[in-house]
Amino acid sequence: EDQVTQSPEALRLQEGESSSLNCSYTVSGLRGLFWYRQDPGKGPEFLFTLYSAGEEKEKERLKATLTKKESFLHITAPKPEDSATYLCAVQAPGSGGSNYKLTFGKGTLLTVNP
Amino acid sequence: NAGVTQTPKFRVLKTGQSMTLLCAQDMNHEYMYWYRQDPGMGLRLIHYSVGEGTTAKGEVPDGYNVSRLKKQNFLLGLESAAPSQTSVYFCASRRLAGLKNTGELFFGEGSRLTVL
Repeated sequence: EDQVTQSPEALRLQEGESSSLNCSYTVSGLRGLFWYRQDPGKGPEFLFTLYSAGEEKEKERLKATLTKKESFLHITAPKPEDSATYLCAVQAPGSGGSNYKLTFGKGTLLTVNP
Repeated sequence: NAGVTQTPKFRVLKTGQSMTLLCAQDMNHEYMYWYRQDPGMGLRLIHYSVGEGTTAKGEVPDGYNVSRLKKQNFLLGLESAAPSQTSVYFCASRRLAGLKNTGELFFGEGSRLTVL
C-alpha cells in the first residue's frame, strides 16, 4: 500500500526564518511526487512536480527536492503570506495503463509570524 | 476561465437523505476525481474517472456513487447520508497523462457537507 508521511504536522516560523518540510513515501514505481499549497477554505493549489531522485524545482521562496525515499520543501526567508497547509502527494500506476491516482499526505500547517 | 466549479458549496442533510454534488470543468480534461478531506486524515480518494462513461473506486468508495455521462461533469451521489459522511468534498481534474505531464490536479473550491 502506498504511504505518504509528512512532518512536522505544524510549524511556526518567524518572518525570515528559513526551514524545511519533509515528505517521506513508500510507493512501488513512483511516477511523480507533487507539492500543493492549501489556504483555509480553499482547494489545494499546485506548486511542483518531481519525477526522479536528484531533481529540484524552485518557485520564489520555495524549493522542492527529491530523493529515493523522501522530498523536502525548503522555505527561504518566509513571509506571512506563505502561511498555509502544504500537501505532498505521490503518483503510482494503478491497474491498467492510465489509471493514475494520487495518494496525499496529511499536510504540514505552516504559520509565519511577522 | 472558471476551471473546476463545485455546487453546492454548503449543504446540511439529515441522516438518510440523499443528495448529489456536481462538479464541472471547462478545461477539456480527461481525468476527474472526488476526494474528501477530514481533520487529521488528509485527502482521501472516493471515486475517479479516466474518461466519459467510465468510473472507478478509490480508497473510500462505500456509501457513494458517481457518474460521468458528459466529459465535463462528474457527479457524486449520496443515496442515504450518514453522519460519518460529514466532510469537505473536493473535485479535481487533470489532462491526459503524457511523457512530460506535470500531473497537475486542478481543484474546485470544495463543498462542505454536514449530516445531522
